[in-house]
Amino acid sequence: AQSVTQPDIHITVSEGASLELRCNYSYGATPYLFWYVQSPGQGLQLLLKYFSGDTLVQGIKGFEAEFKRSQSSFNLRKPSVHWSDAAEYFCAVGARDSNYKLTFGKGTLLTVNP
Amino acid sequence: GAGVSQTPSNKVTEKGKYVELRCDPISGHTALYWYRQSLGQGPEFLIYFQGTGAADDSGLPNDRFFAVRPEGSVSTLKIQRTERGDSAVYLCASSYGGGSWNEQFFGPGTRLTVL
Repeated sequence: AQSVTQPDIHITVSEGASLELRCNYSYGATPYLFWYVQSPGQGLQLLLKYFSGDTLVQGIKGFEAEFKRSQSSFNLRKPSVHWSDAAEYFCAVGARDSNYKLTFGKGTLLTVNP
Repeated sequence: GAGVSQTPSNKVTEKGKYVELRCDPISGHTALYWYRQSLGQGPEFLIYFQGTGAADDSGLPNDRFFAVRPEGSVSTLKIQRTERGDSAVYLCASSYGGGSWNEQFFGPGTRLTVL
């Protein structure tokens, strides 16, 4: 069965600083990979996804992520963080034979200091 | 357009009681998912509907949990004889079509507290 590890429970960055959120997955084949953001009182919103092809994927709100097969990683990055990016971020994996169900990591809470 | 809606937003019940949680998916979305998010955890899959039928209910923790989608639109998650461990946020998601990885759109969730 697939699994996702997000090693950082909580990260604090200053506004304008760069951001990298780590995600490692476990799955025997090439997975489908996703990053979601969850703001208080809001539903999960898809930031970006990787299915195949170019390993650097661009998403909404200026986010990007890079799939590295050799490291089983799919880290999320943003060059300059805005205060509105403060939220919880979830990495998720989908297996190709899994009836489209997502397996999520435990999430990383991002705090942005002014 | 309207997103996925869930009612109620909060539900407090006593141990042993029965509860129903409702999900209204985005119009036209044939796939519907229920997830459960416990405190400090990511969402965990419960059940997936394609149309009216449950295509995958492998995530339901035990037979106290049941979900229906009788007309292929609104879904209800039913929990019998609630236990304190059932306390969590229950999330519903819907997506367009089946047979492919279409984006799952999530509702705001129902926070269930079992006293």
